[in-house]
Amino acid sequence: KQEVTQIPAALSVPEGENLVLNCSFTDSAIYNLQWFRQDPGKGLTSLLLIQSSQREQTSGRLNASLDKSSGRSTLYIAASQPGDSATYLCAVRSQGGSEKLVFGKGTKLTVNP
Amino acid sequence: DAGVIQSPRHEVTEMGQEVTLRCKPISGHDYLFWYRQTMMRGLELLIYFNNNVPIDDSGMPEDRFSAKMPNASFSTLKIQPSEPRDSAVYFCASRPTGGRRGAFFGQGTRLTVV
Repeated sequence: KQEVTQIPAALSVPEGENLVLNCSFTDSAIYNLQWFRQDPGKGLTSLLLIQSSQREQTSGRLNASLDKSSGRSTLYIAASQPGDSATYLCAVRSQGGSEKLVFGKGTKLTVNP
Repeated sequence: DAGVIQSPRHEVTEMGQEVTLRCKPISGHDYLFWYRQTMMRGLELLIYFNNNVPIDDSGMPEDRFSAKMPNASFSTLKIQPSEPRDSAVYFCASRPTGGRRGAFFGQGTRLTVV
């Protein structure tokens, strides 16, 4: 059974800092891994999706990496801004035909001005 | 495109009442998912449909929960009778076959059962 863990549960940083959010998963037989952002009272916004054959994906100030063998992914945010404050969720879709996403519980990020 | 549309956004109901949550997926998306989010358990898949057919309902917690997709543009999640432990945020998501960007989520319905 796939389990996804995100550490830390909460993170507070000053504006301008580069930061890394971590995601680990127990079963390396994944189809893809997705990072989402969730603002309070809102839905999920997809940030980056990494296929199992890829090592990283980049979008603007965001870079996500994937290491299947170690069961880890990181989301790197460069030059953080107060507008980046949100909860970041990692979700894994396993191989084998299932469409199910297994989510971590998220890291709540606060960027202080 | 307006995205995935869920209604209502908020629902407060009394224990024992029937609750119906609604979802309109993005046009052209043939996969539709219902997720539930709680503080304790995070986001969990309840059920998903492909071309209006339920494929995996193993996440539906009890027989009190049922979901339907009568056509490609509408789905419902029904709880009957509702209980306080059903209080959560319920999300609907959709995506096309082979979608390289993954699933698109609605804004969610916050359900409170008192």
